Amino acid sequence: GENVEQHPSTLSVQEGDSAVIKCTYSDSASNYFPWYKQELGKRPQLIIDIRSNVGEKKDQRIAVTLNKTAKHFSLHITETQPEDSAVYFCAPDTGRRALTFGSGTRLQVQP
Amino acid sequence: GAGVSQSPSNKVTEKGKDVELRCDPISGHTALYWYRQSLGQGLEFLIYFQGNSAPDKSGLPSDRFSAERTGGSVSTLTIQRTQQEDSAVYLCASSLMSGGGPSEQFFGPGTRLTVL
Repeated sequence: GENVEQHPSTLSVQEGDSAVIKCTYSDSASNYFPWYKQELGKRPQLIIDIRSNVGEKKDQRIAVTLNKTAKHFSLHITETQPEDSAVYFCAPDTGRRALTFGSGTRLQVQP
Repeated sequence: GAGVSQSPSNKVTEKGKDVELRCDPISGHTALYWYRQSLGQGLEFLIYFQGNSAPDKSGLPSDRFSAERTGGSVSTLTIQRTQQEDSAVYLCASSLMSGGGPSEQFFGPGTRLTVL
């Protein structure tokens, strides 16, 4: 099955700083690369995704970059705010098998 | 429109009893997933249904766990002879799998299972 690793496991930043979370995967057939945000006590929700024919995608303060050759993709959050505090999960997908989620990154934004 | 719904939202049961958890996916979504999440932990895949294909049961932790999806819509996860280690939040998700490939998973609110 797919081997998915996420780093770091925890990340603490000051409000206004940037945060970067990296996800590495093993299945070269993965072609869909989403990031999910889970706030405390709530369900995971998609915040950004990218497909394998694109190298970078941006949506306001968040962006995702993909390196298919190296098999990793990263979540970038700029100008962090306290409401960005949550656990973030990556889940590279081939569309042909069950998903393996990364182990999660707990982001804490200090006001 | 209506999102993914799950019932019950909370379930407390005694060790050894059977429980059934229900998931209503978004209408038209062909893919349905069950996950388990223990407190402060990640998402553990349990089972995956895609259209009329045989389900991928590779994540079920033991033969006490089973799931079915009737008519390509509603799904039920059954845990027999519950154990205390089964206590967790059980999340269901659905997605629209089309010719464009995989897409966003929409999660339900989860069922919090507590086994005493």
